[in-house]
Amino acid sequence: DIVMTQTPLSLSVTPGQPASISCKSSQSLLHSDGKTYLYWYLQKPGQSPQLLIYEVSNRFSGVPDRFSGSGSGTDFTLKISRVEAEDVGVYYCMQSIQLPQTFGQGTKVEIK
Amino acid sequence: QVQLVESGGGVVQPGGSLRLSCAASGFTFSSYGMHWVRQAPGKGLEWVAFIRYDGSNKYYADSVKGRFTISRDNSKNTLYLQMNSLRAEDTAVYYCAKCAWGFNYMDVWGKGTTVTVSS
Repeated sequence: DIVMTQTPLSLSVTPGQPASISCKSSQSLLHSDGKTYLYWYLQKPGQSPQLLIYEVSNRFSGVPDRFSGSGSGTDFTLKISRVEAEDVGVYYCMQSIQLPQTFGQGTKVEIK
Repeated sequence: QVQLVESGGGVVQPGGSLRLSCAASGFTFSSYGMHWVRQAPGKGLEWVAFIRYDGSNKYYADSVKGRFTISRDNSKNTLYLQMNSLRAEDTAVYYCAKCAWGFNYMDVWGKGTTVTVSS
């Protein structure tokens, strides 16, 4: 199974400041079709996960442009340009290049 | 809009069985693969099972293989998870999730249903 490792595991951010989460995979997520199968989800308190970013850097419908994803191969980053109160929750990266699809441990983001 | 509503959770004794359902609406259910993902109390997300749009292929996490069965009824727009030989470690919130078109990642999730395995 592909192991997904996120850092940090928790983050306390002042509103309006940027935040960054790293995700590393134990194998390359670059498929022979040219796509990289790395995703980011946010689970707000008491809610189910919601898709933020697909294929490394594409924002899902309705996701604010303060969220951006980057990276390649095995190293990926989610950035929030200016954190807002509604961004609190646990962020997960996930790979889907092979089954079982695996998630990172999660990064808990809170507001200072 | 796309809606996924899970049901069937509850409290069951170790060794018991439970069947979860996921009612889908707002999209052409028969055209999309579907997943079950679970989350143990205070823990992260664990993929459980996947079924192709037509039910032709099914895949399971090692932790549930041989005990859980994923299925679907496209005429009823419903996804199922039959869970047998339940263990304490199966205690979790179970989410169904829809695949993005043509891919097997999850783009929309239900609110989940809680399964507690306890004597």
